[in-house]
Amino acid sequence: DMKVTQMPRYLIKRMGENVLLECGQDMSHETMYWYRQDPGLGLQLIYISYDVDSNSEGDIPKGYRVSRKKREHFSLILDSAKTNQTSVYFCASSWGGFSNERLFFGHGTKLSVL
Amino acid sequence: GDSVTQTEGPVTVSESESLIINCTYSATSIAYPNLFWYVRYPGEGLQLLLKVITAGQKGSSRGFEATYNKETTSFHLQKASVQESDSAVYYCALGPMSNYNVLYFGSGTKLTVEP
Repeated sequence: DMKVTQMPRYLIKRMGENVLLECGQDMSHETMYWYRQDPGLGLQLIYISYDVDSNSEGDIPKGYRVSRKKREHFSLILDSAKTNQTSVYFCASSWGGFSNERLFFGHGTKLSVL
Repeated sequence: GDSVTQTEGPVTVSESESLIINCTYSATSIAYPNLFWYVRYPGEGLQLLLKVITAGQKGSSRGFEATYNKETTSFHLQKASVQESDSAVYYCALGPMSNYNVLYFGSGTKLTVEP
């Protein structure tokens, strides 16, 4: 059905708690991404994954880690969340890693860290 | 660095009016960037609206057009006559012409089309 699904859509956590954001895609895409967007800023790349267990840091990886154990799923983990990680997080996927390829995005997860 | 600057929103126009959303880019580490417009309709994820990978070329989709201008480093999005259904957030983005599929996004322009 060509879909990227993110869970949950909204999440409220307290500072210091662990956070797990999940993303799934049904297109067998090799490459998956996690972005965040803060007000007034563009989407910033946190991590990129080229396939199972093949992950690379993006522009702002500090404070995050990722896990990709199956091609269809890509998780973003915040160990001991901080208030400055309050943001909207977008997961995306694409067929390969070529720069002119179309990205498919999820709806986003709005995370508030209090 | 590599970055994208676009019209700050929100932008409100009336149905059937023309629209231009400005986008300029800086590609200091990318010799020949690919340029994109993505759109996020209410309640949905971002989706590709159009892309142009060759300087001087124009891309078009759903009545929108954008021309890749290397001289002015611009990729403005235009539509001659907007509809209410065009209300959305529009994102300009640039990416390198390489295997590393990283896109640099603008902050998005929220467009509201009034009936």
